[in-house]
Amino acid sequence: NAGVTQTPKFRVLKTGQSMTLLCAQDMNHEYMYWYRQDPGMGLRLIHYSVGEGTTAKGEVPDGYNVSRLKKQNFLLGLESAAPSQTSVYFCASTSFRGLFLEQYFGPGTRLTVT
Amino acid sequence: GNSVTQMEGPVTLSEEAFLTINCTYTATGYPSLFWYVQYPGEGLQLLLKATKADDKGSNKGFEATYRKETTSFHLEKGSVQVSDSAVYFCALTGTASKLTFGTGTRLQVTL
Repeated sequence: NAGVTQTPKFRVLKTGQSMTLLCAQDMNHEYMYWYRQDPGMGLRLIHYSVGEGTTAKGEVPDGYNVSRLKKQNFLLGLESAAPSQTSVYFCASTSFRGLFLEQYFGPGTRLTVT
Repeated sequence: GNSVTQMEGPVTLSEEAFLTINCTYTATGYPSLFWYVQYPGEGLQLLLKATKADDKGSNKGFEATYRKETTSFHLEKGSVQVSDSAVYFCALTGTASKLTFGTGTRLQVTL
């Protein structure tokens, strides 16, 4: 099992450009999440999904869109990147059948917007 | 809403010293509590967990006890090693298993 993988690992964008971050998991998990990590602020939830075809807003959703067309994939889109979106992005997944609801994290995508 | 407060870092200790990282929380209901660890350049890994009051989570010499009366989940280790240098995050679950994280505490262990 690869667990949770993220593509790409690094990216530099210019203000106004768009991009999509891909998260994939091979654990047949129902729930998937996108977080951003900023210095001194811990991880904050951007969007999440409780199943294929469903998405919901988290704590900091503005400027991002998501899609969950397949159970194993969760895409995070930036339509018009801004410097404030410079961050490290983590994807995570979990199964509601798990006893402890442990979230499994990907290795992260470091995004810089200039 | 839910929130997690953990002690500011960085925490710098000598090898074999005792470690405590404080964590307190505010939540409705009875959340599960977690400590995650992030090594440099990596994602987060679950270190330990507790699902109900008075449960003690433990792993790799680290321990934390779910204290409902003080709404706390402090992380402890009796003797830290250089390899324990990392950032530690306290977290709790809410609806849809969403995690609320503390801001993280960086631990630096020196020889």
